[in-house]
Amino acid sequence: GQQLNQSPQSMFIQEGEDVSMNCTSSSIFNTWLWYKQDPGEGPVLLIALYKAGELTSNGRLTAQFGITRKDSFLNISASIPSDVGIYFCAGQRKYGGSQGNLIFGKGTKLSVKP
Amino acid sequence: GAGVSQSPSNKVTEKGKDVELRCDPISGHTALYWYRQSLGQGLEFLIYFQGNSAPDKSGLPSDRFSAERTGGSVSTLTIQRTQQEDSAVYLCASSLVRGMNQPQHFGDGTRLSIL
Repeated sequence: GQQLNQSPQSMFIQEGEDVSMNCTSSSIFNTWLWYKQDPGEGPVLLIALYKAGELTSNGRLTAQFGITRKDSFLNISASIPSDVGIYFCAGQRKYGGSQGNLIFGKGTKLSVKP
Repeated sequence: GAGVSQSPSNKVTEKGKDVELRCDPISGHTALYWYRQSLGQGLEFLIYFQGNSAPDKSGLPSDRFSAERTGGSVSTLTIQRTQQEDSAVYLCASSLVRGMNQPQHFGDGTRLSIL
């Protein structure tokens, strides 16, 4: 099935560093969502974005809904060890064949720098 | 319960057997979704329910896959004559209603391994 282009695929973090990841699509989405998944668990919603240009924060997390509605980014400031995990972006469309369904990126895996 | 509950958490079965996976959504949530997550991949939509009906089954990979929901609550995903490529984590999510501003909340999934 179709998926969003999420990058980077993986990255290493050192405590205190800022982290940035993004998702892009060739077509428009009406909603962007960011989830985090820990091993053996389901994805947990971090931030939901509903309007183009919207910038939303949740603690140390900040996400933006791109003005073209074809991209979104997630920033994590001052990372801590419990930030490790896999982060997924997901988009939703209001119209079309996949209306309302969540379409996911392949994830960005955050690990601690050795 | 407080969250989406899925059972079993792990299932190992032989190729060719049928399996049933269960999802108990958050109480009061009318919309229920099934996704499949293969190793190292994002989530792939399978089917969703609004109440007991499934308006969108477009993601089911083959006619060996079916799902039902009864009483507007519990849903069962059935895979018949399992194949090795069916091995994946099957995730269920629910939302209050289906809509653009209704976040989906996920269970912890069933990890299915086909030998």
